[in-house]
Amino acid sequence: NAGVTQTPKFQVLKTGQSMTLQCAQDMNHEYMSWYRQDPGMGLRLIHYSVGAGITDQGEVPNGYNVSRSTTEDFPLRLLSAAPSQTSVYFCASSYSMNTEAFFGQGTRLTVV
Amino acid sequence: KNEVEQSPQNLTAQEGEFITINCSYSVGISALHWLQQHPGGGIVSLFMLSSGKKKHGRLIATINIQEKHSSLHITASHPRDSAVYICARRSGSQGNLIFGKGTKLSVKP
Repeated sequence: NAGVTQTPKFQVLKTGQSMTLQCAQDMNHEYMSWYRQDPGMGLRLIHYSVGAGITDQGEVPNGYNVSRSTTEDFPLRLLSAAPSQTSVYFCASSYSMNTEAFFGQGTRLTVV
Repeated sequence: KNEVEQSPQNLTAQEGEFITINCSYSVGISALHWLQQHPGGGIVSLFMLSSGKKKHGRLIATINIQEKHSSLHITASHPRDSAVYICARRSGSQGNLIFGKGTKLSVKP
């Protein structure tokens, strides 16, 4: 059981570049979400999904897109990277709203 | 306004000390999560609890649903316990987690 796998672990982008952060889980979890973690701000929700084909915006969705074509995968796309998107990104999954959450190892993104 | 408040923000302890981290929240919940994040590391779930107390090794988590308060205790603290401890609750409608800002614990040998 791999749990929640995030790639890459580290990434440096130039302003304006696009990229996709990958998140995959092998636990058949319906709930998946993306958070960003910034100093002094804690973890904030970017986008989430309650099942394949269903996504919705969180607290800080601007500049990010998501899709959920399969139960296993929930990629996060940065359309045109900005320095304000420099952060640590975490993907999380859980079987339902009332169960334990599992987190990926995080992606440390720097936009220069 | 963060709906999940933690205290203290920073905590320094000597090895062997008993440690308490507090978490309070403003709305009724079905369960509260305690998470651990080591420096530069990922986030690991420690506990999910909806009532009473749970224990795992030297870690104990308690919750009082009526008072909207939870505590995380570490007995016989060790330098390897140095980490950020985060409490979180589920959003009622969306199911996502709403996090406290974390308590940074440093245990000195």
